[in-house]
Amino acid sequence: KNEVEQSPQNLTAQEGEFITINCSYSVGISALHWLQQHPGGGIVSLFMLSSGKKKHGRLIATINIQEKHSSLHITASHPRDSAVYICAVKGANFGNEKLTFGTGTRLTIIP
Amino acid sequence: EAQVTQNPRYLITVTGKKLTVTCSQNMNHEYMSWYRQDPGLGLRQIYYSMNVEVTDKGDVPEGYKVSRKEKRNFPLILESPSPNQTSLYFCASSLLHDTEAFFGQGTRLTVV
Repeated sequence: KNEVEQSPQNLTAQEGEFITINCSYSVGISALHWLQQHPGGGIVSLFMLSSGKKKHGRLIATINIQEKHSSLHITASHPRDSAVYICAVKGANFGNEKLTFGTGTRLTIIP
Repeated sequence: EAQVTQNPRYLITVTGKKLTVTCSQNMNHEYMSWYRQDPGLGLRQIYYSMNVEVTDKGDVPEGYKVSRKEKRNFPLILESPSPNQTSLYFCASSLLHDTEAFFGQGTRLTVV
């Protein structure tokens, strides 16, 4: 079982729909990252969070440390949101500075 | 402009011919790392560096070397590349190990 599981693997939605992508992890963590990978391959960091909720424009990320779960929400989705969204976690153990990644959620927004 | 720069963007090489992929950041970040991305496996960490002269193995370090002689540079060295190292490679940096990461544009390496 992977340490980081994302769901769904693929998601297709109509423009304007509310999108939710989930990330579950099995280890204690100190931080969780949400990344966006564009069709051209470039990767952009969207959020880094260790508790609660963060919002940036139409994107919202939440994390529940007790349940070991995070969600990424996109409101009023747009075709330019089409990308692969990747969750990554950093372990809580001191001295373990590695990042472990989910395999990503491919999002396609249809006009 | 704040950025992480990798070179080259594309590289085709032959088995056994040593190569270096360079990575440079201009943000005075302490933490730098290398990842490879393969279909179905996602991103996996190869090596990371907490600061100058401090490097450590990630999840898939076999066949790779790194060095961190200066804060801004973190080259990835393949002493004897093999076809199973054909992959898309990313370098990333962050101010600290648990802060926002900035990624390079990626290097697509093919070893034949």
